[in-house]
Amino acid sequence: GQNIDQPTEMTATEGAIVQINCTYQTSGFNGLFWYQQHAGEAPTFLSYNVLDGLEEKGRFSSFLSRSKGYSYLLLKELQMKDSASYLCAVMDSNYQLIWGAGTKLIIKP
Amino acid sequence: DAMVIQNPRYQVTQFGKPVTLSCSQTLNHNVMYWYQQKSSQAPKLLFHYYDKDFNNEADTPDNFQSRRPNTSFCFLDIRSPGLGDAAMYLCATSSNRGSYNEQFFGPGTRLTVL
Repeated sequence: GQNIDQPTEMTATEGAIVQINCTYQTSGFNGLFWYQQHAGEAPTFLSYNVLDGLEEKGRFSSFLSRSKGYSYLLLKELQMKDSASYLCAVMDSNYQLIWGAGTKLIIKP
Repeated sequence: DAMVIQNPRYQVTQFGKPVTLSCSQTLNHNVMYWYQQKSSQAPKLLFHYYDKDFNNEADTPDNFQSRRPNTSFCFLDIRSPGLGDAAMYLCATSSNRGSYNEQFFGPGTRLTVL
């Protein structure tokens, strides 16, 4: 079966750094997406990785290791508005997105 | 601004009373998706259209139907809503089905079944 695993919830402090991990087992791989979802709102796109390595975009970076079936999202200089769920999704060989359940990130002052 | 629009944002219906949710897009994307998302769960793909080609997920109940009359509009019909169908329904679009195709989401419709 296809499976995406990420922690259910994480807590971090404003101004700090947090790393959200995602491991996957899918039938084929055509890229990995990270989305941010605030409570009661739709997901918004953060990043896409298809090759191994680190992609940096401002305060957010995303890393991929295809051989390990592993990715992480790194958030720096955390702000209160970063409190949200972060969803990892993998595009499989049929170009379908397989979604994780999301990691709820709580930022404390 | 190009966008994905969903109406209504909040829908209340009664058990067994048919309901239709609508989605429109100004992005001129070929692909449109309907997802169901329950609290703290992953979005669950119900079906998607690639142009007019309809693709139903194997585990989508028959109670859920969809129509895409043209490129811009897509509808989700729930024929006989049950209490278990209360959820957020998300419409998304992408320009194609290939590898890098970011999905753009509408704001969602939160369905309550009484």
